[in-house]
Amino acid sequence: GDSVTQMEGPVTLSEEAFLTINCTYTATGYPSLFWYVQYPGEGLQLLLKATKADDKGSNKGFEATYRKETTSFHLEKGSVQVSDSAVYFCALSFTGGGNKLTFGTGTQLKVEL
Amino acid sequence: GAVVSQHPSWVICKSGTSVKIECRSLDFQATTMFWYRQFPKQSLMLMATSNEGSKATYEQGVEKDKFLINHASLTLSTLTVTSAHPEDSSFYICSARSGSSNTYEQYFGPGTRLTVT
Repeated sequence: GDSVTQMEGPVTLSEEAFLTINCTYTATGYPSLFWYVQYPGEGLQLLLKATKADDKGSNKGFEATYRKETTSFHLEKGSVQVSDSAVYFCALSFTGGGNKLTFGTGTQLKVEL
Repeated sequence: GAVVSQHPSWVICKSGTSVKIECRSLDFQATTMFWYRQFPKQSLMLMATSNEGSKATYEQGVEKDKFLINHASLTLSTLTVTSAHPEDSSFYICSARSGSSNTYEQYFGPGTRLTVT
């Protein structure tokens, strides 16, 4: 079946450091790919998405590129802030973001001063 | 933005009892809501899809008689865990879709932690 694999956390970085959170997927076909973020005490929020190969999703300084050849959708940010501390979930869906989502296990990011 | 709430945020119940969890879309109408379950350090797993006014569609392996879902209005869906046992202890998360099409975004609630003793 379809699955999403994320790097294990927690990831601890200093403020202004470069961030990469790896995400790879296994699926039959070409799904849409998503990154969700969950801040403490809040629900998951859509951070960015890409619907086809080579698409780049971006939001709030975060970016991820849909790589069909490596079945990857790695999340990157050039300079993290303390306020980016959260849990990040990679996910896929074959029917847009409004239907069944298959999630990775989540990666906790801690950014320190 | 669209807000989804869940109540309660944390509940402890005794083995054999039932517990109800509410999911509300506060500022939009949701014809479709979803219920997920998350075990520690594991993915969110979709349990069921709930459509207003009709029966829920359960994912394979989810016991529909144990996890009763009711979506009686466009802003409220409930999940009742019947005859709860310690293995039902988990984090339950709902989401609501803001439109009728699959291309509309899901908005997630903050989750409910259930502990069965």
